[in-house]
Amino acid sequence: DGGITQSPKYLFRKEGQNVTLSCEQNLNHDAMYWYRQDPGQGLRLIYYSQIVNDFQKGDIAEGYSVSREKKESFPLTVTSAQKNPTAFYLCASTPHTWPGDYGYTFGSGTRLTVV
Amino acid sequence: AQSVAQPEDQVNVAEGNPLTVKCTYSVSGNPYLFWYVQYPNRGLQFLLKYITGDNLVKGSYGFEAEFNKSQTSFHLKKPSALVSDSALYFCAVRALNSGNTPLVFGKGTRLSVIA
Repeated sequence: DGGITQSPKYLFRKEGQNVTLSCEQNLNHDAMYWYRQDPGQGLRLIYYSQIVNDFQKGDIAEGYSVSREKKESFPLTVTSAQKNPTAFYLCASTPHTWPGDYGYTFGSGTRLTVV
Repeated sequence: AQSVAQPEDQVNVAEGNPLTVKCTYSVSGNPYLFWYVQYPNRGLQFLLKYITGDNLVKGSYGFEAEFNKSQTSFHLKKPSALVSDSALYFCAVRALNSGNTPLVFGKGTRLSVIA
């Protein structure tokens, strides 16, 4: 079945450590997105990519980095510069022919906790 | 600029009663509008979308939404609530002619259906 896979489901980060969240899709979607979810704040856009080797900053890009070397993959690195990284991170994708059937297709999320 | 407002953080309804989750939006021109639902520690799932055409949109699990252009609203409704409808609901918008601009999400409304 086609879909988006995010891994790991749970991730713990020590202070000063970089961590990378994985997002892989086999839907042949062109655009991919990373959102951060905090209680009461909804979804806030971190980065998005519409084509391979190109990406744009969202509203809260500081302390994060991404790459888009393959159409299927859009990993997110949470750097030590992100002072409050504890949150639920969601990856999404959309087809070239927007909006398709669902607008966005979402992964199941990664819960990142600083320890 | 695009924006979405979900004025209620929490909606409580008795099982079997009708439910409404409110959403108002602001875009330049005509909108794409979506409703998504999120269960605990999961990604968002598509419920329904409005692009053009009939103002009453029917979606998954018996939900429907009415597009009201004059009031810039897209309220989610269901005639008879189920306990299993308890979840977090997000409204999202994008302007029709905004290229590949990402969706903007509301802050979410938590629906609690009481048996």
